[in-house]
Amino acid sequence: EDQVTQSPEALRLQEGESSSLNCSYTVSGLRGLFWYRQDPGKGPEFLFTLYSAGEEKEKERLKATLTKKESFLHITAPKPEDSATYLCAVRSLNYGQNFVFGPGTRLSVLP
Amino acid sequence: EPEVTQTPSHQVTQMGQEVILRCVPISNHLYFYWYRQILGQKVEFLVSFYNNEISEKSEIFDDQFSVERPDGSNFTLKIRSTKLEDSAMYFCAGLGRQEDYGYTFGSGTRLTVV
Repeated sequence: EDQVTQSPEALRLQEGESSSLNCSYTVSGLRGLFWYRQDPGKGPEFLFTLYSAGEEKEKERLKATLTKKESFLHITAPKPEDSATYLCAVRSLNYGQNFVFGPGTRLSVLP
Repeated sequence: EPEVTQTPSHQVTQMGQEVILRCVPISNHLYFYWYRQILGQKVEFLVSFYNNEISEKSEIFDDQFSVERPDGSNFTLKIRSTKLEDSAMYFCAGLGRQEDYGYTFGSGTRLTVV
């Protein structure tokens, strides 16, 4: 069975304090690992897709990387507006077009 | 930027009542989905819909649930007889030809069953 875990569950950072969020996965035939941002009471907002080990994607202060067993979302010099829950999701051969989501990491960036 | 629109944003219903959650997907999307998120829990897959039929469904999507796209635009999720445990945020999502972009999710409908 495909599984996705994320750590830490919650993270508090000072503005400007860089850190990384982890997503570990066990899937049969990875067809993509996706990062989403979710604000309270809103739907997930797409950030990145990664397909193969060694791949990296960047967007503003965020950089996502992928290995064969995990992905990291690096946040460089975060700002308070980066506060959100960050969700990792995988698409695998088992689930067609569908995603298996991780539980998320709740990030708070304090001014 | 195109959006997925969901209505209502919040629905309160009595246990045993039927509810219909509505979604207007992005016009050039081909695949449509319903996901739900119980408060404090993971986002869970319910059903996918392609070419006017269900392509996949999860164990959650039992015979109390149904989906349809009656007029080629609106995409609806019906729960025939709601239970307390159906209380959750329900998200509609769509996907175009380019899977790289991931889904586009709507803002969700908060369903509260009392």
